[in-house]
Amino acid sequence: DTEVTQTPKHLVMGMTNKKSLKCEQHMGHRAMYWYKQKAKKPPELMFVYSYEKLSINESVPSRFSPECPNSSLLNLHLHALQPEDSALYLCASSQDLGSSREQFFGPGTRLTVL
Amino acid sequence: AQRVTQPEKLLSVFKGAPVELKCNYSYSGSPELFWYVQYSRQRLQLLLRHISRESIKGFTADLNKGETSFHLKKPFAQEEDSAMYYCALRSNDYKLSFGAGTTVTVRA
Repeated sequence: DTEVTQTPKHLVMGMTNKKSLKCEQHMGHRAMYWYKQKAKKPPELMFVYSYEKLSINESVPSRFSPECPNSSLLNLHLHALQPEDSALYLCASSQDLGSSREQFFGPGTRLTVL
Repeated sequence: AQRVTQPEKLLSVFKGAPVELKCNYSYSGSPELFWYVQYSRQRLQLLLRHISRESIKGFTADLNKGETSFHLKKPFAQEEDSAMYYCALRSNDYKLSFGAGTTVTVRA
């Protein structure tokens, strides 16, 4: 399996809801990433995990809570989001954090916050 | 802090014509540069990286540290090259920063 998968494809949630985004890869990669992409903008890094430990948090608000339960799975827990959080959320993985590593991207979850 | 600039939002060329996508960067350390591409209804994927010095799908890119540039070139554009192209820089602290992107349309 050489793909990064993300579920769900689409998610609509209210500002008081709690939901989670899921990302999975079975390529044996030990680095995983969350990006946020607004319409007609480039992806922006949110979090980086390396060997299941959080390495980078790009000053993301606490209403976004990442979790890496094992080397194949990456979750993003959402709570009390704002309408401006509506975006495409991309997951990516790479072999590790070594130099020039290719990042493999998932198809994204399109999130709408009402 | 690093910065990646792609000055052209849109680029339209005829099939068979050369195409060049500009990318300039600002970074105080030793940069790693990439080009990522997103075809219609497909996921973002790596096209090439400066360290490999390879040609992928006829595209090449040379890192010019003096001009802080990493322009992407192809001598003869094909219709299947129509896509969104992102230049990206990876800094020493593992962060990947993307430029704003250039949408390329190759016309028959």
